[in-house]
Amino acid sequence: VQLVESGGGLVQAGGSLRLSCAASGFTFSGYNMNWVRQAPGKGLEWLSYISGSGITTSHAESVKGRFTISRDNAKSSLYLQMNGLRAEDTAVYYCARGPRNGVDGTHFDYWGQGTLVSVSS
Amino acid sequence: QSALAQPASVSGSPGQSITMSCTGTSSDVGAYKFVSWYQQHPGRAPKLMTYDVSDRPSGVSNRFSGSKSGNTASLTISGLQAEDEATYYCSSYTGSNIVIFGGGTKLTVL
Repeated sequence: VQLVESGGGLVQAGGSLRLSCAASGFTFSGYNMNWVRQAPGKGLEWLSYISGSGITTSHAESVKGRFTISRDNAKSSLYLQMNGLRAEDTAVYYCARGPRNGVDGTHFDYWGQGTLVSVSS
Repeated sequence: QSALAQPASVSGSPGQSITMSCTGTSSDVGAYKFVSWYQQHPGRAPKLMTYDVSDRPSGVSNRFSGSKSGNTASLTISGLQAEDEATYYCSSYTGSNIVIFGGGTKLTVL
């Protein structure tokens, strides 16, 4: 199993970025996926969930209305569209695999290496 | 949704056992069995250590064990080793496909 994030970088406040997570080594469509971030020197913050089919999504209140999670199962890829970025969105963003479809749970068993997003004010 | 409460730090000597806590509410930790613990070394991605309160992924040492009582979950590490020094995060399901994390506990092996 491998998850590789990309798309991070430096952006001005109010700007947009689209993060990608390329998955390999497992049947991507069979698992729900998540985004988690970590601000410099801070703890983990769960951001977004998407079901294996892509039909069901949820977002943390802190990003609801600004961030959108999506996936392309044909490309084994997960995305996070981030709009209206703020200085407090500066963090390392991780994609993380959740349980298999049909299995209850909210644990993340595989994580990418993370991609850094820096928002300048 | 507020973060789960974790002590900022705990410490122990090699060979000892330590337990760290994770306190939530009746809407998260107390309501669901979906409590997980993660280990994170500096500059590395988190690693799943326990899930569904007390299950362990394959490959994780049985020195790590999880439990829960009411609104508080706990992670116990027995036979402390130098490599266990890291920051540990708990997480819990809160309903509606939403997850919250604790603030993290830094474990120091003396």
